[in-house]
Amino acid sequence: ETGVTQSPTHLIKTRGQQVTLRCSSQSGHNTVSWYQQALGQGPQFIFQYYREEENGRGNFPPRFSGLQFPNYSSELNVNALELDDSALYLCASSNSQLRGGPNTQYFGPGTRLTVL
Amino acid sequence: DQQVKQNSPSLSVQEGRISILNCDYTNSMFDYFLWYKKYPAEGPTFLISISSIKDKNEDGRFTVFLNKSAKHLSLHIVPSQPGDSAVYFCAASGGSNYKLTFGKGTLLTVNP
Repeated sequence: ETGVTQSPTHLIKTRGQQVTLRCSSQSGHNTVSWYQQALGQGPQFIFQYYREEENGRGNFPPRFSGLQFPNYSSELNVNALELDDSALYLCASSNSQLRGGPNTQYFGPGTRLTVL
Repeated sequence: DQQVKQNSPSLSVQEGRISILNCDYTNSMFDYFLWYKKYPAEGPTFLISISSIKDKNEDGRFTVFLNKSAKHLSLHIVPSQPGDSAVYFCAASGGSNYKLTFGKGTLLTVNP
């Protein structure tokens, strides 16, 4: 069974640029969630995708957007990068039988984004 | 407004002893709670969870206790091992919420 994978591992961008992060969910999982983890903080929920539709969003501006594909893999896009976007971006997958139901999320290793 | 709080930034215990990590929450809608362990440069690893219909769940050396009236949960690790040294995050979800809300984490150090 393959776990959650993310690419790239590290990324350096400059302010104003755009970035795309990728995630492959664990085999058999239909739900993908994205989190941002700043230094010294717990992960903060960005949004979740269930069957290719956004299933909820945290307190992040519209320049954070996402996609989920038919194979349940996902992308996180961030436009107009700001210095405060520097963080570890985590993808988590789960298998939700019910939309919004309790689920255990399994995390990938993360992508470390640095914005200069 | 922090809905999940881990008030101890760090904890140090001796190998073989019990480690107790604590977590408090404020949102009464939370009904599912999880503990994750995180090593540097890795993503969080799921450890154990508990539903609000239970007050205890055990898995090997790990036990989670839930006190709903106090809105408090704890993770017990017995016996503690040096390999348990990591940051431990408490997380909660519930109601129509699908997201996990995390605490800031507690750094556990188990000394040989």
